[in-house]
Amino acid sequence: GAVVSQHPSWVICKSGTSVKIECRSLDFQATTMFWYRQFPKQSLMLMATSNEGSKATYEQGVEKDKFLINHASLTLSTLTVTSAHPEDSSFYICSAREPSQPQHFGDGTRLSIL
Amino acid sequence: EDQVTQSPEALRLQEGESSSLNCSYTVSGLRGLFWYRQDPGKGPEFLFTLYSAGEEKEKERLKATLTKKESFLHITAPKPEDSATYLCAVLDGIQGAQKLVFGQGTRLTINP
Repeated sequence: GAVVSQHPSWVICKSGTSVKIECRSLDFQATTMFWYRQFPKQSLMLMATSNEGSKATYEQGVEKDKFLINHASLTLSTLTVTSAHPEDSSFYICSAREPSQPQHFGDGTRLSIL
Repeated sequence: EDQVTQSPEALRLQEGESSSLNCSYTVSGLRGLFWYRQDPGKGPEFLFTLYSAGEEKEKERLKATLTKKESFLHITAPKPEDSATYLCAVLDGIQGAQKLVFGQGTRLTINP
């Protein structure tokens, strides 16, 4: 089945640093990748959608300069949280899909900013 | 705007006790309804896609059904390993700009 790998699974860093999260589709070409944020006991909140080779489309209220997304190849997208602060602490999940196929999700990254 | 409502929020069952989870949706035109399972600290795992009223899909102890207004996830004789949060989502948007709209999920606990 379709496999999406997300790395790292857990990161702790100091306030003010930038953190990069990688999302890879291992056995298919992901024309579209998605980044979500999830708070405890809540559902997934879509942050942005990225198509390979294009600029990401951000959801309303998501700061594009804060959350930098790059989708340079059909198997890799990255999310960089710039100048992270404690309020950015959360569970970040990526997903990827081929055309006309369901989204498959990575196992998430738990980000803790001290 | 498309909306998805899941009920109940949480459900506790005894092992072997069958039940159903509900997902009600309002969409301008259904392009797909999806069921996912999410374990704590993990990403959602794809279970089923349904496209038209009357469609049914099965996988082990799970069966998903679809009407014009809602979907049910039936769990038959569940086991403790079926404990998870089950998420329902509909596909929103036009071709090329589609995204999933998720419900809040149902937290299912199966007691041995």
